[in-house]
Amino acid sequence: AQSVTQLDSHVSVSEGTPVLLRCNYSSSYSPSLFWYVQHPNKGLQLLLKYTSAATLVKGINGFEAEFKKSETSFHLTKPSAHMSDAAEYFCVVTHGSSNTGKLIFGQGTTLQVKP
Amino acid sequence: DSGVTQTPKHLITATGQRVTLRCSPRSGDLSVYWYQQSLDQGLQFLIHYYNGEERAKGNILERFSAQQFPDLHSELNLSSLELGDSALYFCASRRSGFEGEAFFGQGTRLTVV
Repeated sequence: AQSVTQLDSHVSVSEGTPVLLRCNYSSSYSPSLFWYVQHPNKGLQLLLKYTSAATLVKGINGFEAEFKKSETSFHLTKPSAHMSDAAEYFCVVTHGSSNTGKLIFGQGTTLQVKP
Repeated sequence: DSGVTQTPKHLITATGQRVTLRCSPRSGDLSVYWYQQSLDQGLQFLIHYYNGEERAKGNILERFSAQQFPDLHSELNLSSLELGDSALYFCASRRSGFEGEAFFGQGTRLTVV
């Protein structure tokens, strides 16, 4: 069975400091992994995706994530936080060999950016 | 703009009523997913359609139903509405039934009074 655990429900950083949002997954197959961002009262926007190519994935707005199979992790990072990064972030796992097509969401991490 | 269109954006209705939410997927996408998002329950998967057929069901109440039409747009029908059904309802579309990223619409904010 597939599952996703976002290890922090809330992360607070100061503007200009690094961001780390942690995500661990469980999957019996080779997974595809995604990070989405949701600003208040908006839809979810795809930040980046891992689909078994390079393990270090670059996304929009300066975000990156590294797929580590040995640690079953897919943590999201950004070197320097901006005020506009304050939002809810979701880690999602799926895999192509499943015939259910399920997208498994983590519980979300709220990122607060302080001036 | 994700290319996924949801209408209406906002809906206010009374308890006991029935509403229909509409989703137009991105051009060429065959899958449509519906999600409910509320403050107390977070993001809940409701149902997944692929090329007109139901693929998977999640935590969808019996009062709720959905379908995907031949032109691939989808509708989510909510009936006998209760106060607790107030939430943001999202649809997402995906090229295939089982791989690749999903693209989300802006959601329909349903308020039941």
